[in-house]
Amino acid sequence: EAQVTQNPRYLITVTGKKLTVTCSQNMNHEYMSWYRQDPGLGLRQIYYSMNVEVTDKGDVPEGYKVSRKEKRNFPLILESPSPNQTSLYFCASSLYIRADTQYFGPGTRLTVL
Amino acid sequence: GENVEQHPSTLSVQEGDSAVIKCTYSDSASNYFPWYKQELGKGPQLIIDIRSNVGEKKDQRIAVTLNKTAKHFSLHITETQPEDSAVYFCAASKGRANDYKLSFGAGTTVTVRA
Repeated sequence: EAQVTQNPRYLITVTGKKLTVTCSQNMNHEYMSWYRQDPGLGLRQIYYSMNVEVTDKGDVPEGYKVSRKEKRNFPLILESPSPNQTSLYFCASSLYIRADTQYFGPGTRLTVL
Repeated sequence: GENVEQHPSTLSVQEGDSAVIKCTYSDSASNYFPWYKQELGKGPQLIIDIRSNVGEKKDQRIAVTLNKTAKHFSLHITETQPEDSAVYFCAASKGRANDYKLSFGAGTTVTVRA
């Protein structure tokens, strides 16, 4: 089944404790992206990747890191999480960077205490 | 950058009635306008999209209209059913290889009353 998977789905952590949210797609998509969803703000892009080893900042990159060592994986790293990073996170992928359908993962609910 | 505004933020309709969600965008260079539906506990899923060379597009009970002059586009759902209850997001993009970024609206929570 073609899909985008994320792990974990739920995570409660404390300020400053490094964490990684994994994202994987099995559709051989070139483009991958991370979004955060907050009430009243919609979906805001954190980082995106056009292909392996090619990443760039989105609208709200502060406090986040990403890497794209393999085409299928695009992990989101929070080196020192803070309470303002409490949010619902989505990974998405599309075949190419042009205006194509983006396929979203199921989301990761992160709470930073 | 692109700014997409979406209204209303919540919408309650009687089953069988129509629902309309409106979005405006700021960048006249935007030419790709998708709509995503997010069901409870799931990620957004594309339901329909429209490109700037088309004024209207339909897919069964769903239609999208685009007015490039006024820089607004709308989602129309006819004969609403309980399974249409969800959060709907509009988005806009220039759709170019070097400027693809999707800018999303804040979302509309649609509730269909039985």
